[in-house]
Amino acid sequence: DAGVIQSPRHEVTEMGQEVTLRCKPISGHNSLFWYRQTMMRGLELLIYFNNNVPIDDSGMPEDRFSAKMPNASFSTLKIQPSEPRDSAVYFCASGVRLSYNSPLHFGNGTRLTVT
Amino acid sequence: KQEVTQIPAALSVPEGENLVLNCSFTDSAIYNLQWFRQDPGKGLTSLLLIQSSQREQTSGRLNASLDKSSGRSTLYIAASQPGDSATYLCAVRPIQGAQKLVFGQGTRLTINP
Repeated sequence: DAGVIQSPRHEVTEMGQEVTLRCKPISGHNSLFWYRQTMMRGLELLIYFNNNVPIDDSGMPEDRFSAKMPNASFSTLKIQPSEPRDSAVYFCASGVRLSYNSPLHFGNGTRLTVT
Repeated sequence: KQEVTQIPAALSVPEGENLVLNCSFTDSAIYNLQWFRQDPGKGLTSLLLIQSSQREQTSGRLNASLDKSSGRSTLYIAASQPGDSATYLCAVRPIQGAQKLVFGQGTRLTINP
């Protein structure tokens, strides 16, 4: 099992540019989560999907953020246009829906720097 | 609203010591509590998951306890090693809004050789 795979590992971009982060969940997992981690705010849940359907996007900070899950093995988080305050580490995690006593598995994250 | 607190924010101890990391939560209505380890530049690795009906879980030198009624959990690390240096986070899965783990801010642990 390769675990949750995220790409790119690092992204440096200029303010105003579009950024797309990618995630491949663990095969067989049907829940997928996007988190953002900063020193100030810790880990924040942005959005999660069950069976490829967005369930709760209340954590998405602004309309500049959007996420999609076109199939069970791929998800994207897009920021357009990006701003310096979006700089953070973005994590994708996957798990088994409705199996609340199974652990959540995280990818290694994408470190985003917006200058 | 569920809140999770970890104290201290940072801890430095000499190699070989036994140590305890603390986690507290405000609402006891949880399915489980999970301890994670995060190495610099890496994601979170699940260490132990304690279900609400359990009192403790053990894995190697790690032992996690849960006192749901008092809203507390501890992670005990025996015979600490430099390789244990990392940030340790706890997270609860609330019964209401069970898909959303609520994380603490973490304890940054340094084991000095």
